[in-house]
Amino acid sequence: KAGVTQTPRYLIKTRGQQVTLSCSPISGHRSVSWYQQTPGQGLQFLFEYFSETQRNKGNFPGRFSGRQFSNSRSEMNVSTLELGDSALYLCASTTTMDGTEAFFGQGTRLTVV
Amino acid sequence: GNSVTQMEGPVTLSEEAFLTINCTYTATGYPSLFWYVQYPGEGLQLLLKATKADDKGSNKGFEATYRKETTSFHLEKGSVQVSDSAVYFCALQATNTGNQFYFGTGTSLTVIP
Repeated sequence: KAGVTQTPRYLIKTRGQQVTLSCSPISGHRSVSWYQQTPGQGLQFLFEYFSETQRNKGNFPGRFSGRQFSNSRSEMNVSTLELGDSALYLCASTTTMDGTEAFFGQGTRLTVV
Repeated sequence: GNSVTQMEGPVTLSEEAFLTINCTYTATGYPSLFWYVQYPGEGLQLLLKATKADDKGSNKGFEATYRKETTSFHLEKGSVQVSDSAVYFCALQATNTGNQFYFGTGTSLTVIP
């Protein structure tokens, strides 16, 4: 059974640019969540999508957005990148609306220069 | 609100030593509790979980008991190995926030031979 796949693994962008990250959940999982991990702030919740609808959103500016497709794959987009957006972005997938176990991808390491 | 407080690191132990990493939580309702582990360059892997009070989660020699009276979920292992070196995260999933996880700050463990 394939795990959660995140692409790309590494990304370097310049301030002001935008970036799109992709996450393919485990087959059959309909919920996808995104987290930002930084040394200073730890793991922070960005948003969750379930059946193509955003169900929950963390405390991030509107520059951070996401979407989910009918095959449950999800993308997140960050516009007008800032140096502080440099982080490891993790995607997690779960099976049901009340899923108690999340499976994480290896993450996308974004560096903004 | 929901939050997790985790023992500060880093922790350095000799092989075969006893490990305890403290974790306490604040939550409304009856959350599920988790320990995740992160190896260098990787995403998070579920180590163990407990979904109701007095449940004991266990895996690979690690154990944690869901204590509602003390709002705690301390991680223990009787004899650590070098391969246990990683960062450990305590997390909760509340009953009213979908699949959102609230993570502690993480505890870095290094086991020396």
